[in-house]
Amino acid sequence: EVQLLESGGDLRQPGGSLRLACAASGFPFSSYAMSWVRQAPGKGPEWVSSISDRGSSTFYADSVKGRFTISRDNSKNTLYLQMSSLRAEDTAMYYCTKADASIIVDAFPIWGQGTRVTVSS
Amino acid sequence: QSALTQPASVSGSPGQSITISCTGTSSDVGNYNLVSWYQQHPAKAPKLIIFETTKRPSGVSYRFSGSKSGNTASLTISGLQAEDEADYFCCSYAGSSKLVFGGGTKLTVL
Repeated sequence: EVQLLESGGDLRQPGGSLRLACAASGFPFSSYAMSWVRQAPGKGPEWVSSISDRGSSTFYADSVKGRFTISRDNSKNTLYLQMSSLRAEDTAMYYCTKADASIIVDAFPIWGQGTRVTVSS
Repeated sequence: QSALTQPASVSGSPGQSITISCTGTSSDVGNYNLVSWYQQHPAKAPKLIIFETTKRPSGVSYRFSGSKSGNTASLTISGLQAEDEADYFCCSYAGSSKLVFGGGTKLTVL
C-alpha cells in the first residue's frame, strides 16, 4: 500500500524557518516525481513545488520561489521542504503528493495526511 | 499564476445530476488536456477523481465524469448520493511544470 507520512509542521514567527519531511513507502520512491501542495484554512489547495525522480529538476510556485527549497533523499525514501523567510500567508496544511510520472507533474494521484504549519507572532 | 474560477456552491437532490464549472485561460485549461478534479471531505486530504480532463482513476465511480470546452472544464456527477456531499477542486497544468488550482465548490446534497 502506498503511504506518505508528513512531519515537521509547527508554529513559527514571521521570518523564521522550518523543514518538512515526507516518508514514503509502498512504491519505488526513486521512480516518481513528488510535490508539495498546501491548503490554507477554508481555501482551495495551492501547488507549492515539485521535484523530478532523481532530484535533478525542481519547480516552484512564484509565491515561494527563493524562500522554499524542495529536495529528496532516495536512499531514505524521503521528500523534504525547507521553508525560510516564513510569512503569515504561508500558514496552511502542507501535503506531500506522489505523481504518476518521473519528471512532469500534471496531477496529484496520491496524498499524505498533511502537516500543519502556522506562522504567527 | 491566477487561480481557476469555480462557483462557490452547488446543490442537488439525491438521484439528480449536477455540473461544476472551472474557468481558466488559454494558458492553462484552454491549452492543455491536463485538468484534474479532487473531492475533499471535511478534515480529509483531497482525493483524485478525474485526471487528464476526462479519465477516471481505478476505483472511482462511473457517476463522475469530466469534460472541457475552450477555457472551461466541467465535472458532472450523476445519480447524486449523500456521500457525494463534499468540496470539489479543479486543477490545471499551466506550462513550465506549474499547476494552478481552483478555489473550490461546496456540493450540498439536499
